[in-house]
Amino acid sequence: DVQMTQSLSYLAASPGESVSISCKASKSISNYLAWYQQKPGEAYKLLIYSGSTLQSGTPSRFSGSGSGTDFTLTIRSLEPEDFGLYYCQQYYEKPLTFGSGTKLEIK
Amino acid sequence: QVQLQQSGAELAKPGSSVKISCKASGYTFTSYYISWIKQTTGQGLEYIGYINTGSGGTNYNEKFKGKATLTVDKSSSTAFMQLSSLTPDDSAVYYCASGRRWFAYWGQGTLVTVSS
Repeated sequence: DVQMTQSLSYLAASPGESVSISCKASKSISNYLAWYQQKPGEAYKLLIYSGSTLQSGTPSRFSGSGSGTDFTLTIRSLEPEDFGLYYCQQYYEKPLTFGSGTKLEIK
Repeated sequence: QVQLQQSGAELAKPGSSVKISCKASGYTFTSYYISWIKQTTGQGLEYIGYINTGSGGTNYNEKFKGKATLTVDKSSSTAFMQLSSLTPDDSAVYYCASGRRWFAYWGQGTLVTVSS
């Protein structure tokens, strides 16, 4: 199985700052990567797919980059509502696999 | 708007089975595959498999073959997942989600607790 590693399990930043969340695949997955946000009491939200394509409704302050094994989710000018857990997921090969998550806390 | 509404929490005994439902609304049910995902504190998010809501065809993660059975009822726009021969390791929150590559819409999750 393709292992997805999110090396940072926790991240804290202040509103207005920019943050980057990394995700590394154990083998090349081209750009077959999605990013999700999970907030308490809410359904998971798809933010980005195909590595960098914003899902409809995702604010433009979110961006995704990377290809191959290394990927980054960047949030520019953090808003208070951006706190939560962020997961990456590969769909290059079955079984689909997820990263372990990065918790973003707003200072 | 697209919604996936899952059934409520289940408390089950070891060796028994449970069947979780996922009712879709706000779109044509057969437009999206439905996938199922398991979440635990220890293992994180694990992909179980998907069902083609039009044909009923399924694809399972090898790890969950024999454990999970996916079905659909097109008449009620509902997908189901049955978990059999339950053990404490099956205790988790289970999610349904639309799609089979990335998942644009998710249910709210169903907590399954396996305990004697």
